[in-house]
Formats: sequence, structure tokens, C-alpha cells
Amino acid sequence: GAGVSQSPRYKVTKRGQDVALRCDPISGHVSLYWYRQALGQGPEFLTYFNYEAQQDKSGLPNDRFSAERPEGSISTLTIQRTEQRDSAMYRCASSPGRANEKLFFGSGTQLSVL
Amino acid sequence: AQSVSQHNHHVILSEAASLELGCNYSYGGTVNLFWYVQYPGQHLQLLLKYFSGDPLVKGIKGFEAEFIKSKFSFNLRKPSVQWSDTAEYFCAVNALDRDDMRFGAGTRLTVKP
Repeated sequence: GAGVSQSPRYKVTKRGQDVALRCDPISGHVSLYWYRQALGQGPEFLTYFNYEAQQDKSGLPNDRFSAERPEGSISTLTIQRTEQRDSAMYRCASSPGRANEKLFFGSGTQLSVL
Repeated sequence: AQSVSQHNHHVILSEAASLELGCNYSYGGTVNLFWYVQYPGQHLQLLLKYFSGDPLVKGIKGFEAEFIKSKFSFNLRKPSVQWSDTAEYFCAVNALDRDDMRFGAGTRLTVKP
């Protein structure tokens, strides 16, 4: 596609529900990153993939958060049993190679947990 | 893991004023350094980057940044800001032995016409 696409654009959910956030990176991009951005803060690293391999998940806050990229393209970030503190903008970015190249960001998914 | 500090949370300037936004990082190894910008209603996009060589790098829209290794700094500058520079600016660091990118908290720049 022309850019990194994230869906849904907005997600409102009730506390305790599971949510799945989708990222469709630029075609052919090897690396895919997930970030979380709270209001007034910078993007907080969550995890990243090289092709389908999850290389680093040290930024995932706890075991309610997981991510996959089974075919090395589209990725899903899943949050189980959501809590109000999970409310934030979730951003996906992709890169042609490694992180030391330019990151292309999507528009993000704004998650609100009520 | 590397960390990034941006000193100013919100900077307000008048048009034609000079700009300098501070960025310091903590990491002992070799790093690549970036500035990203987010204009209102848009997504993050690359402003400029430093990999190696001349520590003074020039980016788009008249922005430049200087890498001072001894100070672990990568400050962003622009001699004369415009109203259209109103945006949020993020400094980011990638350690060469890692594949992740760490961002600072960001600095919101407001330029008054």
C-alpha cells in the first residue's frame, strides 16, 4: 500500500474486554514496530518484528499484551482484559530494513477503555 | 536500554525567532540519531537523521541538528521559524547493537504569527 495502515482508527471498549489492533505495513518492509503513546508523551517502544520473527518484546507492559506477525506482513497487537490505564494511542511503524533506517508511521489507533 | 531526554516540553516563539530544542541520550555505544516531527492531525515523519560523518546534519524545511558526542546531545536548530513549524518534535535514538528505536517525550513548538 501507499503507507502504513492501522485499523481501527478509534476503538472504545469496556474494561475487561479484549481488543485486537491491526497494522498493515508498507509492502516489502522487513521491520515492523509497535509503540504506545500517552497524551503529552513520546512513543513508548512495545515490540518489533523482523519478518515474522518477534525480535524484542521487552517493552510490552505485562502478559496481557501480545503481538504477532504470522506471515511477515500484517501484524496484530492484542490486549486482553483491558484496563483503563491501557487507554492511549497505539502506533505502528515499518522500515525497509533495520531500525537505523527511516521509520514510516501509521496514523495510529486511539484506544479508550471505559 | 538507551533512553532519551528532551528538556523542553513546550516552546512558544514568534515568527522569525531562532529555535533550539535540546535532546540528550544515555547510551555508551554507537548510536544513530533522529528527529521526527508530528504536525497537527498528521502522523510522525522523519525530519533529519545522523548516522556518521559530519556531526552537523541538515534536514528538511531548514532544520539542522548537531551531534556532540562528548555531551551525548543532538540538539535541533532552525535560524528562523515559521508559523507552519508549529508541531511536536521528537528526538529518537537507535543503538547499533539493537534494532529498536527509543523516543523522547517530545517538545511541543508553538509559533505565533
